[in-house]
Formats: sequence, structure tokens, C-alpha cells
Amino acid sequence: AQTVTQSQPEMSVQEAETVTLSCTYDTSESDYYLFWYKQPPSRQMILVIRQEAYKQQNATENRFSVNFQKAAKSFSLKISDSQLGDAAMYFCAYNPTQGGSEKLVFGKGMKLTVNP
Amino acid sequence: DTGVSQDPRHKITKRGQNVTFRCDPISEHNRLYWYRQTLGQGPEFLTYFQNEAQLEKSRLLSDRFSAERPKGSFSTLEIQRTEQGDSAMYLCASSSRSGTSEGDEQFFGPGTRLTVL
Repeated sequence: AQTVTQSQPEMSVQEAETVTLSCTYDTSESDYYLFWYKQPPSRQMILVIRQEAYKQQNATENRFSVNFQKAAKSFSLKISDSQLGDAAMYFCAYNPTQGGSEKLVFGKGMKLTVNP
Repeated sequence: DTGVSQDPRHKITKRGQNVTFRCDPISEHNRLYWYRQTLGQGPEFLTYFQNEAQLEKSRLLSDRFSAERPKGSFSTLEIQRTEQGDSAMYLCASSSRSGTSEGDEQFFGPGTRLTVL
């Protein structure tokens, strides 16, 4: 079974600094998608960034970038120039593509606090 | 259309009662998902529809749970004979499959928080 592990339940960062959120996953598949979703307090979950497993180039979206290490099954998220609005729960998620499954498998999440 | 909506946002019920939640996806989205999120955990997949067809169900979806999407638009999730363990946030998401692309972004609703007393 596919599993996603986020080993750090909480992290904090100073405003304008850089923080890295870690995620590892377990799968026997070779083709899949990985996501980072953000869930602000009392607000709905939104997509931060997406990575396709067959692409070696790490995805980047403005201040957000990933370090995708397929052999190590690691998928970390780097947030540069942290802003107060980045404070939220962050979830790493895996989407298998083989077998036609459309589900997302989520980690337990990590609470990010941004200090002014 | 401003996004995925869910109704009600909060539901308190007594053990043994039936409850029904509604999800309205983004209008052009043909795929709809239900997840359950308990405190301190990430969302867990329950089921997924493509148009009106229910294509995948999790083992978490016991026989007390049923989901429908009769016209391929809104969906309902019903829980019969609720138990205290059903207390959770129930999230709905939708996506639009474009051509043969995969890994489509799922857009989430605000969720329905269920409390079973």
C-alpha cells in the first residue's frame, strides 16, 4: 500500500526566511504524481505545487520549489522569503496513476508557523 | 462559479441518527471526490465519481455510508446509524480531466464538520 510520511508535525520560520518541509513516500510504482497542499486555518485546502514522477526537473512555483529525489522517495518543499500568509497546515500527497486510481494519499500534515 | 461548495458546514447529531451532506463541484468538473479528515490527520479517500458513475470506493466506506451523484453534478454522502467514530470533517473535491492528462489538481470545498454525540 502506498503511504506518505511527514515526520515533522510542526515547524516555525521567521518572516522572510527560508524553510524546508520534508516528505517521504512508499510505493512500488514508477509513474505517479506528488503534491503539496496548503490548508490555512478554517479555510479550504489549496494546491501549492505538483511534481510528475517521470520528470527529473524539480517543480517551481514562485517562492515554492520542491526537491524531488525519486530513488530516495523523498519530496521536500522549500518556501523562500516566508510570508505571514504562509502559515498553515501543509500536506504532502501522492496520486498513483497506474490502475486508474484517482485518489490522493495524504500524509498527516505539518503545521507551519511564521513569526513576524 | 467561485469554487466547490458544501452544505451544511457543521452538523451535530446523536448517535444512531442518519445524516446527509451535499457537495456542489465546480460546474465544468466531471470528477468528484469525497475524503474524511479526523483531527491531527490528513484527509483519507472515501470515494470518487466520474460524471454519475462511482468508480472507486475505499474500504473506509462501510455499508453505513452511501454516496450518489445522480445527474453528474452535485453529490450527496449519507451516513446511516451514525457512530461517535464518524465524527470528522468530510471534504469534497472536484477536478476536470483534460484529454489524457493525469494528476489533475483537485479543488477542495470547505468541508462539513460532523459531530456525533
